[in-house]
Amino acid sequence: GENVEQHPSTLSVQEGDSAVIKCTYSDSASNYFPWYKQELGKGPQLIIDIRSNVGEKKDQRIAVTLNKTAKHFSLHITETQPEDSAVYFCAAKGSNFGNEKLTFGTGTRLTIIP
Amino acid sequence: GAVVSQHPSWVICKSGTSVKIECRSLDFQATTMFWYRQFPKQSLMLMATSNEGSKATYEQGVEKDKFLINHASLTLSTLTVTSAHPEDSSFYICSARRGGLTDTQYFGPGTRLTVL
Repeated sequence: GENVEQHPSTLSVQEGDSAVIKCTYSDSASNYFPWYKQELGKGPQLIIDIRSNVGEKKDQRIAVTLNKTAKHFSLHITETQPEDSAVYFCAAKGSNFGNEKLTFGTGTRLTIIP
Repeated sequence: GAVVSQHPSWVICKSGTSVKIECRSLDFQATTMFWYRQFPKQSLMLMATSNEGSKATYEQGVEKDKFLINHASLTLSTLTVTSAHPEDSSFYICSARRGGLTDTQYFGPGTRLTVL
């Protein structure tokens, strides 16, 4: 089955600087890669996603890049703000029938230092 | 984005009782719903996948007789924790995926279950 590794597990960034979180996946058939932000005591919130036919996607201060050859994808947050502090999870989903569930990374706790 | 609600947001119950958690997709029809469990400072663990009108598919190690899932309509799925025990205390989160070719999965706000 799919295996997703996420690094780092914790990340502290000065407000205004950029933050980068990286994930690798094992199943070359995976074709959908969402990123979720989870605040304390709340459910995960989808912040951006990318499909395997695209190498990069951007939404304001957030961007995701995908390298299918190396099987890794990254989340980039620019001009970080205190409200960006949360736990971020990457995930990967297979394309094969019967393998349609998301496999999550272990999460990155991002702290923005004012 | 789409909205998924859960009710209740938190529940405290006595050991041996059953607890039902509802998950609703408010502005779209969800052909597939998922139930996750999350322990403190850990990732999400998929418990089961349910498709509307059919039996849920449980992940390995999840007791289907203990965690009853019903996906009765395209907007409602329920998780019933039967004969709850303290070790069932956890954060339960549902997720819903639209029908068709979309992959996008939206999560509910979660339900904190505490079993005394």
